[in-house]
Amino acid sequence: DGGITQSPKYLFRKEGQNVTLSCEQNLNHDAMYWYRQDPGQGLRLIYYSQIVNDFQKGDIAEGYSVSREKKESFPLTVTSAQKNPTAFYLCASSILGQQPQHFGDGTRLSIL
Amino acid sequence: EDQVTQSPEALRLQEGESSSLNCSYTVSGLRGLFWYRQDPGKGPEFLFTLYSAGEEKEKERLKATLTKKESFLHITAPKPEDSATYLCAVQGLMTTDSWGKLQFGAGTQVVVTP
Repeated sequence: DGGITQSPKYLFRKEGQNVTLSCEQNLNHDAMYWYRQDPGQGLRLIYYSQIVNDFQKGDIAEGYSVSREKKESFPLTVTSAQKNPTAFYLCASSILGQQPQHFGDGTRLSIL
Repeated sequence: EDQVTQSPEALRLQEGESSSLNCSYTVSGLRGLFWYRQDPGKGPEFLFTLYSAGEEKEKERLKATLTKKESFLHITAPKPEDSATYLCAVQGLMTTDSWGKLQFGAGTQVVVTP
């Protein structure tokens, strides 16, 4: 079945450490997105990519980085510069220029 | 700036007790309004897209409606398996400053008890 796979499901970060969240899709979608979800808040866009080797900052990109070397993959790195990284991270994809977006099952990141 | 407000924040229903969730929005031209269902620890699951005022969509016990300022998600005779958080999102028109990103509300958490 086609879908979006996020891994790991749970991740713990130590102080000063960078961590990378994986997102893979087999839907043949060009567009991919990373969101952050905090309790009581709507999903907030971190980064998005509409094509391989190209990506744009969303509303809260500071402290995060991404790459898009393959159409199927859009990993997110949470750097040590992100001072409040504890959250539920969601990856999504869509047909280019179209909605809706389809989501993976998320990665929950916590601080040790 | 596009804004989405969902109410109530939480809703507790008895099985069979119908109710409605509200999604109020402000957007500079609506391209689409989207409803998602999210179970605990899972990603949002797409339910409906609405494009213009007066439009309605149905799926099992769920019915979504749209006006120029808000959308309602009606849950008719809910069952415990309808318990979830329901998210609303809007997409505005694409401009030189906006690529038509989704703006999400905070969601309504629905609990249906037997």
